[in-house]
Amino acid sequence: DQQVKQNSPSLSVQEGRISILNCDYTNSMFDYFLWYKKYPAEGPTFLISISSIKDKNEDGRFTVFLNKSAKHLSLHIVPSQPGDSAVYFCAASAVFGGSQGNLIFGKGTKLSVKP
Amino acid sequence: DVKVTQSSRYLVKRTGEKVFLECVQDMDHENMFWYRQDPGLGLRLIYFSYDVKMKEKGDIPEGYSVSREKKERFSLILESASTNQTSMYLCASSLLPTGPGNTEAFFGQGTRLTVV
Repeated sequence: DQQVKQNSPSLSVQEGRISILNCDYTNSMFDYFLWYKKYPAEGPTFLISISSIKDKNEDGRFTVFLNKSAKHLSLHIVPSQPGDSAVYFCAASAVFGGSQGNLIFGKGTKLSVKP
Repeated sequence: DVKVTQSSRYLVKRTGEKVFLECVQDMDHENMFWYRQDPGLGLRLIYFSYDVKMKEKGDIPEGYSVSREKKERFSLILESASTNQTSMYLCASSLLPTGPGNTEAFFGQGTRLTVV
């Protein structure tokens, strides 16, 4: 059973508007969440993260929100730019759950930002 | 600048061949991982290692083995390649977590393996 779910395989947004990518998780032991961005034929690159003790983390145009009670997190990109077009992966880990830090990934959401 | 290097960007192998994928990191990270990425399936963990000579199975270890003889190097081995192992293979490394906030994994550029 999937522990990290990204239910939207794709998202299309106009340049300058907000992109909202969603992620749900089922394991309440997860205490650290990350977003990765991946271009074709390249490895994923780290974008932003949030610890379970926070509900928001912001870095420039990127903000991640965490709702622990709903086991839901979202990535907001404002304003969206054509260069943001990529596949975005949500990932989670359970640092204190004995997982040794391995990340569990969702299936990804392909974001297309149209000029 | 952190670096995870995979030995090949593209590989084409024949069914039944033994295939070695090599990965080297220069960050003195304890953890190393092998994932495969397939369309619609995301990144799936094959094996990971949290120390030299230590290995743990991930979600899809069947048909694969790994080797970690040195801290900086983690090898993925396809014992007898099959066409369903055609995929993008991604190596990653991270620190052994001591608390929330330091489990960011750094990825290599990926190896696109085609088994014919």
